[in-house]
Amino acid sequence: AQTVTQSQPEMSVQEAETVTLSCTYDTSESDYYLFWYKQPPSRQMILVIRQEAYKQQNATENRFSVNFQKAAKSFSLKISDSQLGDAAMYFCAYRSPPSQGGSEKLVFGKGMKLTVNP
Amino acid sequence: DAEITQSPRHKITETGRQVTLACHQTWNHNNMFWYRQDLGHGLRLIHYSYGVQDTNKGEVSDGYSVSRSNTEDLPLTLESAASSQTSVYFCASSEFRRNTEAFFGQGTRLTVV
Repeated sequence: AQTVTQSQPEMSVQEAETVTLSCTYDTSESDYYLFWYKQPPSRQMILVIRQEAYKQQNATENRFSVNFQKAAKSFSLKISDSQLGDAAMYFCAYRSPPSQGGSEKLVFGKGMKLTVNP
Repeated sequence: DAEITQSPRHKITETGRQVTLACHQTWNHNNMFWYRQDLGHGLRLIHYSYGVQDTNKGEVSDGYSVSRSNTEDLPLTLESAASSQTSVYFCASSEFRRNTEAFFGQGTRLTVV
């Protein structure tokens, strides 16, 4: 079974600075999908960014980018120019490739609380 | 716009009572999931369904049940509520066999007293 590990339960960053959230995972599959979700105090789960394992290029979405190291099974999230609105819980998640009959459920890490200091 | 909604948003119930949490999606997704969120555990899968009449157990399914009679709804039932089931519950849906993310409801905070 796949597992996702977020080893840092909490982090803090100064507004306008850059922070990197770490995530590692364990799988025997060669193709899969990785996600970062953000959960602000409203509780809503919001997709931040997605990475397909077969793509070598790291995904980027505005101020958010990932460092995907497939061999190391590492999937870190970098937030540039941190804003107060980035304060939230962040969850890393894994999903098997849907086209190959694999399980389509998301497997989550335990989450990391990010505080942004003004 | 398509959406996924959960009801109620908050509920307090007594130990031993049967409780049903509703989840309704208008995305026309085949996949639906129920997770519980607890501090220090992240989101853990309770039950999931890949289509009408299909249900599967997740990693923390004891004490919970689901049924899928149509595409839009996957209600979660706590057969006999226990204090250990105090948690925040999330419903999610996604397209079957497609590379898309899962969409989540707003969550239901359940307190068992």
